[in-house]
Amino acid sequence: GAGVSQSPSNKVTEKGKDVELRCDPISGHTALYWYRQSLGQGLEFLIYFQGNSAPDKSGLPSDRFSAERTGGSVSTLTIQRTQQEDSAVYLCASSPLYRLGTDTQYFGPGTRLTVL
Amino acid sequence: DAKTTQPTSMDCAEGRAANLPCNHSTISGNEYVYWYRQIHSQGPQYIIHGLKNNETNEMASLIITEDRKSSTLILPHATLRDTAVYYCIVNRDSNYQLIWGAGTKLIIKP
Repeated sequence: GAGVSQSPSNKVTEKGKDVELRCDPISGHTALYWYRQSLGQGLEFLIYFQGNSAPDKSGLPSDRFSAERTGGSVSTLTIQRTQQEDSAVYLCASSPLYRLGTDTQYFGPGTRLTVL
Repeated sequence: DAKTTQPTSMDCAEGRAANLPCNHSTISGNEYVYWYRQIHSQGPQYIIHGLKNNETNEMASLIITEDRKSSTLILPHATLRDTAVYYCIVNRDSNYQLIWGAGTKLIIKP
């Protein structure tokens, strides 16, 4: 079946502009994650959505970052007034339901963001 | 959070078993060990996870020491397509956040 999809695959923007990144999770998956990966580094947790619960935003690096998930499915990550240090690959993952020891995250291909 | 230590890089000959070590000496009793891999320019891919017992699936085997302070991921017959960065992760107890390190870059050579 269809996996996690993300759009756009690449985004080049100018410093100070706003950007929106989209994630379509696997149908039926209740949990959705956003991560950021800088070149040669591991993944950095940004935000987590689970069903109708309030999202865990503890990983968002600044108030320029926000995310929403509409109808428990599609999610959008918004970065306002982009800075050069925001340049990274932004990865989205979904999983059926988090239970300790059984969570398997399915990742999308990522969006490569370049801020000039 | 329990942290993991992995070698930065490893080589393995095609067709041989690739053994990737991971140290997690501060792991707690209810924390699981997960392995993911990331092929160049792709999102990470789940491989396997375990708590205490050794685990095997169609992709790999996971060997966890009795004291749970280290583990080894085994790819039994490595192919060129197994070239990737392999991440060993110990999940936070009662938390969905996975703490990702830099991983091991595994290069399979023909």
